[in-house]
Amino acid sequence: AQKITQTQPGMFVQEKEAVTLDCTYDTSDQSYGLFWYKQPSSGEMIFLIYQGSYDEQNATEGRYSLNFQKARKSANLVISASQLGDSAMYFCAMTGYRGNKLVFGAGTILRVKS
Amino acid sequence: DTEVTQTPKHLVMGMTNKKSLKCEQHMGHRAMYWYKQKAKKPPELMFVYSYEKLSINESVPSRFSPECPNSSLLNLHLHALQPEDSALYLCASSQVDMYGGEADTQYFGPGTRLTVL
Repeated sequence: AQKITQTQPGMFVQEKEAVTLDCTYDTSDQSYGLFWYKQPSSGEMIFLIYQGSYDEQNATEGRYSLNFQKARKSANLVISASQLGDSAMYFCAMTGYRGNKLVFGAGTILRVKS
Repeated sequence: DTEVTQTPKHLVMGMTNKKSLKCEQHMGHRAMYWYKQKAKKPPELMFVYSYEKLSINESVPSRFSPECPNSSLLNLHLHALQPEDSALYLCASSQVDMYGGEADTQYFGPGTRLTVL
C-alpha cells in the first residue's frame, strides 16, 4: 500500500519569492508515479507535475519543479516566483504498480502575501 | 480549459429525492473515477471504471449508484442521501496504464457541490 505524508498544514510566502512544499511517501512498489495537484477555492483539482520512479532527472513544468530524492522517499514541490494566484491547497499524490488508485496526502494550504 | 466537464455545478436535494451527477471527458481516456471530498480534506476514491467496466468500488453505500454508458460518460445516481453526504463530488479520467507511469495522470473536472437537506 502507498502512503503520502505532507507535514505542513499551512505555509505563507511573499509574492515573487520561491517556496518549497514538502512531501514524503512510502511504498513497496518499484514502479510508481508521484503527482502534485493544486486546488483553488473554486474546487477544481488542477494537475501540476508528474515524476516517475525511474526518472533520473527532476521534473519541471514552467514555475513548478519537483525535487525528487528517491533514497529519502521525498518529492517536494518547488514554486518559483510566487504569484497571488498560487494561493490554494496543494496535494501530493502517488500511484503504485496498480496505477489506477491515486493516494493523496493531507494537503498544504499556501497563502501568497503581497 | 479542463477537458473533463461536470454538471450540475451545484445541487441541493432533499433526503427523499433522486438526482444524478454527470461527467464527460473528451481526451480519449479509458479510465474514469468518482471522488468525494469534504472541506479541507483530500479526495476519497469512490468508484473506478476501466474500459467501461466497474473495477473498483471502495465500499460505497448503495444510495450511490455509478453508471458508465460509454467511454466518455460517467454518471453518479443519488437516492435517499443523508446530510453527511454533502460534499464536493469530483470526476476524473486517465489513460489506462497501471504501471505507475505518466499515463496514470488523472485529470479532474470542476466538481459538483452537493448539499443534502
